[in-house]
Amino acid sequence: AAGVIQSPRHLIKEKRETATLKCYPIPRHDTVYWYQQGPGQDPQFLISFYEKMQSDKGSIPDRFSAQQFSDYHSELNMSSLELGDSALYFCASSLSGRSYNEQFFGPGTRLTVL
Amino acid sequence: DQQVKQNSPSLSVQEGRISILNCDYTNSMFDYFLWYKKYPAEGPTFLISISSIKDKNEDGRFTVFLNKSAKHLSLHIVPSQPGDSAVYFCAASARAGGYNKLIFGAGTRLAVHP
Repeated sequence: AAGVIQSPRHLIKEKRETATLKCYPIPRHDTVYWYQQGPGQDPQFLISFYEKMQSDKGSIPDRFSAQQFSDYHSELNMSSLELGDSALYFCASSLSGRSYNEQFFGPGTRLTVL
Repeated sequence: DQQVKQNSPSLSVQEGRISILNCDYTNSMFDYFLWYKKYPAEGPTFLISISSIKDKNEDGRFTVFLNKSAKHLSLHIVPSQPGDSAVYFCAASARAGGYNKLIFGAGTRLAVHP
């Protein structure tokens, strides 16, 4: 079965550079979530989109922005990167309207800021 | 403040025996709970979930128990297999409040040995 696809899988950037992470949800899933997992930490919710509209916002820095496109894929744009942004970034997708909120995660993008 | 707590960072169990992973939560608005399994370098994999209207949900070797009055849930794996060795995250969401984001615990690393 098709899963959530994230690209790139690994990304190395310098401080103050920008990065764009992409997420392709499971086909027919209309909701996308972004999570950040720092070293030794649990995943922290950043932002989510439903039908191309932002549905919820968590601890996402103002330097970050995201959007969901008409084909439901999403991009997380990160600017003025800081060392502390080094983390695993997970995208998850779900199908709205279901009784249960099962989110399916992608393999993650490991961002390293030098 | 950690709303979802997994107080045991690690658990070691012999193959064939029962593994019990525990999770406590503080937010009474949570109405849906999920367990995810995570291998290194992979995204969390959905394992099993339970709605707050139930106290037990079973799927093969995996059973989740929910005690709402104690704000406690547990995941039982019987019998445990070496392939179950992974980090297990407990997660919660508050759908009734209109928020579908998942709040994760810190995870418990399960090691199943022969």
